Amino acid sequence: AQKVTQAQTEISVVEKEDVTLDCVYETRDTTYYLFWYKQPPSGELVFLIRRNSFDEQNEISGRYSWNFQKSTSSFNFTITASQVVDSAVYFCALGYTNAGKSTFGDGTTLTVKP
Amino acid sequence: DTAVSQTPKYLVTQMGNDKSIKCEQNLGHDTMYWYKQDSKKFLKIMFSYNNKELIINETVPNRFSPKSPDKAHLNLHINSLELGDSAVYFCASSLLGGGGYTFGSGTRLTVV
Repeated sequence: AQKVTQAQTEISVVEKEDVTLDCVYETRDTTYYLFWYKQPPSGELVFLIRRNSFDEQNEISGRYSWNFQKSTSSFNFTITASQVVDSAVYFCALGYTNAGKSTFGDGTTLTVKP
Repeated sequence: DTAVSQTPKYLVTQMGNDKSIKCEQNLGHDTMYWYKQDSKKFLKIMFSYNNKELIINETVPNRFSPKSPDKAHLNLHINSLELGDSAVYFCASSLLGGGGYTFGSGTRLTVV
């Protein structure tokens, strides 16, 4: 069975703090994909990143970074020097080649206060 | 040009009515999806189509009927609407081989 757990339901930080959003997944497959999506208060869902199961390199994009560790089945997302505009619900998701769907975690609501 | 366009954005209707939501993508993706987001923000797959063929049909009441006339379009028709159908419905598209989703802007359905 495939499952994605985002244990942090809500996180609140003050602007400029660093924050890490946790994602733990369960799968029996060796080939899979992991994703992060952002849903700001306006409601749209925005794709942030995709990693495949064979690529454990960390990725950095501006203030965003992702740490993929197969040993702990985790794909964590860190925002450095958070800004108010980072306030959103963030979803981690697990997908497979030819599976026809991704399984989403329940989301983490991040609030960044000025 | 909007990549995944979904209409209408808002839909308020009475119980028992039938309604449709339309979705179109111009990204050349081969797979399209309907997801339901409930009031707690949980996202659940309803259907997915690959090149017009249904590949995923989760446990969804058969009052919900998707239709894909071609690989760029995926519509959702809902019969006999119930209060519990109130939610935000998102259309999305991707390439089947593990591609990230591009979502439409969502349709907020309110059944009164």
